Amino acid sequence: KQEVTQIPAALSVPEGENLVLNCSFTDSAIYNLQWFRQDPGKGLTSLLLIQSSQREQTSGRLNASLDKSSGRSTLYIAASQPGDSATYLCAVRHPRSNDYKLSFGAGTTVTVRA
Amino acid sequence: ETGVTQTPRHLVMGMTNKKSLKCEQHLGHNAMYWYKQSAKKPLELMFVYNFKEQTENNSVPSRFSPECPNSSHLFLHLHTLQPEDSALYLCASSQDVAGAPDTQYFGPGTRLTVL
Repeated sequence: KQEVTQIPAALSVPEGENLVLNCSFTDSAIYNLQWFRQDPGKGLTSLLLIQSSQREQTSGRLNASLDKSSGRSTLYIAASQPGDSATYLCAVRHPRSNDYKLSFGAGTTVTVRA
Repeated sequence: ETGVTQTPRHLVMGMTNKKSLKCEQHLGHNAMYWYKQSAKKPLELMFVYNFKEQTENNSVPSRFSPECPNSSHLFLHLHTLQPEDSALYLCASSQDVAGAPDTQYFGPGTRLTVL
């Protein structure tokens, strides 16, 4: 059974500092990995999706890397802003192309102090 | 309306009540999902529907009963719930259950409190 772990569970940084969020998974045979953002009391918004054949994806200030062999992904957020305060979830998709199941981590709650 | 909507946004019910959660997607998708999100725990997949057919029941207790009358609407009927069922219930949709790259689009959730 795939298990996804996110450390730390919570993170507080001053505005302008770079954020580093970690995600690890126990079964390296994944189809893709996705990072989501969740604001309090809201649903999830997809930030970045990395296919298993890719090493990283970038969108603006966000960069996500994937090391499938070691079962790790890292989300970097450059020059953090108070608006980046949210919970960040990573999810891995199981290897079969017709298998929709996602395994989620419990998330890292980020607070960016102004 | 765009995206995935859920009603109600908040619900408080007693253990003997019967209520329903509603989800509607305006994206033309064919697959819809119910997830449960408890505090400090990972999202748990509950049910999956693809082209209105249930394709997954992740060992969910029978006090939760899903219904998918068409590809745009998904309901979760609740009866005789327990306090431990209090959680955020999220609905999601995707183009279908297969194919890549694909992502699931989530609604805002219904915050359920069982007294």
